[in-house]
Amino acid sequence: KAGVTQTPRYLIKTRGQQVTLSCSPISGHRSVSWYQQTPGQGLQFLFEYFSETQRNKGNFPGRFSGRQFSNSRSEMNVSTLELGDSALYLCASSLRGGEAEAFFGQGTRLTVV
Amino acid sequence: GENVGLHLPTLSVQEGDNSIINCAYSNSASDYFIWYKQESGKGPQFIIDIRSNMDKRQGQRVTVLLNKTVKHLSLQIAATQPGDSAVYFCAETSSGTYKYIFGTGTRLKVLA
Repeated sequence: KAGVTQTPRYLIKTRGQQVTLSCSPISGHRSVSWYQQTPGQGLQFLFEYFSETQRNKGNFPGRFSGRQFSNSRSEMNVSTLELGDSALYLCASSLRGGEAEAFFGQGTRLTVV
Repeated sequence: GENVGLHLPTLSVQEGDNSIINCAYSNSASDYFIWYKQESGKGPQFIIDIRSNMDKRQGQRVTVLLNKTVKHLSLQIAATQPGDSAVYFCAETSSGTYKYIFGTGTRLKVLA
């Protein structure tokens, strides 16, 4: 069974640009969550989707957005990139979300210059 | 990731010894907890979980203990091996929130 796939693995962008990251969950999993990981702040929750509906959102500015498609694949978008957005962005896949096992992908390393 | 937690607390143990990693969680309403292991350059890997109606759960070489009275979680690794070297995170969630709150992490170093 394939794991969680995130693309691309690495990305370098310039301040002010926008970026789209992709996540394909484990087959049969309908919940996808996104987290930002930085050395200073650790792992912080961005948002969670289940069956194309956002059920919760973390404390991030509106520049961070996401969506989920009918096949459960998810994308997150960051507009008007800032240097502080440089981080490892992780996607987690779960059967139903909430109090259920969540499995992470390898992440997308975003560097903003 | 490669630069996860540059100033994380570190636990150093001899190969073959038992390791105990501790975590204080924040929300008394949390009812589900997971321990993750993260190796350099990789995403967090699920190790073991426990629900709030339990106080102990065992896996292969790992045991998780939950003390709800003091909001404390611990991960015990038996016969620690070099491959156990990684950063370990606890994560908590409560019903209906659909998000995990992660601890700051502990770096485990296994000495040969």
